[in-house]
Amino acid sequence: DAKTTQPTSMDCAEGRAANLPCNHSTISGNEYVYWYRQIHSQGPQYIIHGLKNNETNEMASLIITEDRKSSTLILPHATLRDTAVYYCIVRVATGANNLFFGTGTRLTVIP
Amino acid sequence: SAVISQKPSRDICQRGTSLTIQCQVDSQVTMMFWYRQQPGQSLTLIATANQGSEATYESGFVIDKFPISRPNLTFSTLTVSNMSPEDSSIYLCSVHTGLAYEQYFGPGTRLTVT
Repeated sequence: DAKTTQPTSMDCAEGRAANLPCNHSTISGNEYVYWYRQIHSQGPQYIIHGLKNNETNEMASLIITEDRKSSTLILPHATLRDTAVYYCIVRVATGANNLFFGTGTRLTVIP
Repeated sequence: SAVISQKPSRDICQRGTSLTIQCQVDSQVTMMFWYRQQPGQSLTLIATANQGSEATYESGFVIDKFPISRPNLTFSTLTVSNMSPEDSSIYLCSVHTGLAYEQYFGPGTRLTVT
């Protein structure tokens, strides 16, 4: 699985959009980009995934660059409950593969 | 999605004893995964549990220390054997489902070994 690089930490004002970047320059053609988050003392929560097109769901939007070497997770209106560690993971979407977690980005939403 | 429950949610155990953690999923899944999260660290995969076959362990984890059972497609157990304080961690059960194998996690079992 390709390696990802994320900033260690970020702050975001409550109500503003939180943009979390992820670099995955060695991603291969069949690898998806997944985003998860872990709120303190809870299990990781699936947010969104994509292959090459931008994706949006009720939680967030995922913007993947045309060359697929980087992506951005967007929380459109951050709330205090979005304070968490956010993990960007790339892997081939097969049943035999699981997730390997890096250190992620610690997002703090400030009132 | 999948709803996953774990028992116990937390426990405090004495060194040298063993603890069995249960994981229950609300749907049938082929593969279940067990992770460990040590204090202040990210998640580390312990093993993959397949129904009807031996679990597959990651480097650094062995069956004698972390025996796993997978009796059916909705249930698995992880035992932490002969515990030491270094085993104090959160242990998480996980499954994946969906067309792109999105992965879902249980709430975790917080283990403290004294």
